[in-house]
Amino acid sequence: DGGITQSPKYLFRKEGQNVTLSCEQNLNHDAMYWYRQDPGQGLRLIYYSQIVNDFQKGDIAEGYSVSREKKESFPLTVTSAQKNPTAFYLCASSPRGVRQTSNQPQHFGDGTRLSIL
Amino acid sequence: ILNVEQSPQSLHVQEGDSTNFTCSFPSSNFYALHWYRWETAKSPEALFVMTLNGDEKKKGRISATLNTKEGYSYLYIKGSQPEDSATYLCASPNEKLTFGTGTRLTIIP
Repeated sequence: DGGITQSPKYLFRKEGQNVTLSCEQNLNHDAMYWYRQDPGQGLRLIYYSQIVNDFQKGDIAEGYSVSREKKESFPLTVTSAQKNPTAFYLCASSPRGVRQTSNQPQHFGDGTRLSIL
Repeated sequence: ILNVEQSPQSLHVQEGDSTNFTCSFPSSNFYALHWYRWETAKSPEALFVMTLNGDEKKKGRISATLNTKEGYSYLYIKGSQPEDSATYLCASPNEKLTFGTGTRLTIIP
């Protein structure tokens, strides 16, 4: 079955530590996205990538970094510079970028819940 | 409207009753309007993607309408069932997909 796999499901970060959230898709989609959800807020875009080796900052990129070395993979690193990392993180993909595929929905993983120790 | 807004924020409905909620979005530079259902402990799944003014789409007991001139969409659920309990998100794509905060629906048996 095609889909998006996020791991781990739960992650704990110590102060000053960088942690990496994994996102893998086998849908052959060009575009991938990372969102963050906080209580009472909508999904906010952290980073997105429309093609391999290219990515752009979203609305709340500070304290995060990404890479897109392979089409299937879009890992998100939460760095120690992110002062409030506790949140639920969702990865998504679409066949191409948002503009090019506005009439097609995004596909989501099950999410990773990150907490601070 | 500059953002995507949803109302109400939460809703409790008796099993068997019908309900509806609203998504408001910027009507300028409209491309499409997405509806997603997000059940607890699962990933959001797409319900509808609507593109044309006056569009009405249906999936079982759930339907949605679209008014692009005034910038709103309604989602209707007829004869609510416990499995309809979820958060319903709408989103408007432009340079990026902008999500509303969602309507959390709880069906009371």
